[in-house]
Amino acid sequence: ILNVEQSPQSLHVQEGDSTNFTCSFPSSNFYALHWYRWETAKSPEALFVMTLNGDEKKKGQISATLNTKEGYSYLYIKGSQPEDSATYLCAFMIDSWGKLQFGAGTQVVVTP
Amino acid sequence: GAGVSQSPSNKVTEKGKDVELRCDPISGHTALYWYRQSLGQGLEFLIYFQGNSAPDKSGLPSDRFSAERTGGSVSTLTIQRTQQEDSAVYLCASSLFLGREQFFGPGTRLTVL
Repeated sequence: ILNVEQSPQSLHVQEGDSTNFTCSFPSSNFYALHWYRWETAKSPEALFVMTLNGDEKKKGQISATLNTKEGYSYLYIKGSQPEDSATYLCAFMIDSWGKLQFGAGTQVVVTP
Repeated sequence: GAGVSQSPSNKVTEKGKDVELRCDPISGHTALYWYRQSLGQGLEFLIYFQGNSAPDKSGLPSDRFSAERTGGSVSTLTIQRTQQEDSAVYLCASSLFLGREQFFGPGTRLTVL
């Protein structure tokens, strides 16, 4: 089992503040890194699939960067809203078939 | 359009019984994945299918677990002689092709008494 680590485990953010958190993964044999958002009582929802070193992706107020050489990805939430409250999961694709190794997630709670 | 569906949504069973969990992927998606999340744990890969074949079964926790996919569509995950440690949420996901973003179903919450 490869180490995919996310930090922090949880964080509380005031509405309107921006935040970011980290996913670290093995820097060798990189195929892709996925980010998912999992709201309570819902299904995980894909945010980004990142494949190239230096990739930056954006979806609304959420963006992500990728550094495959050093093995980390950052996810940023700009101007957090209560509806951004969720667990954010990163997943490292460990083979060319698409098998994913998930991190434990960062739980984000945005309070009004 | 219709997303990934799973049934049942909840299943309570007695230790030692067999259970069958069903996943209906998004139409046209060739790849299908099974995961589980045990209490306090992260998402754990179980098995994936490309079409009807499962190239990698290494994630299945024991030989009590099996899965099949027929017609390149519906998949069933069968757990024989259930144990209490099998209690978890079982999630199914599908993607257009292997390696692409995965679309998850709502999950089946399995409780083994």
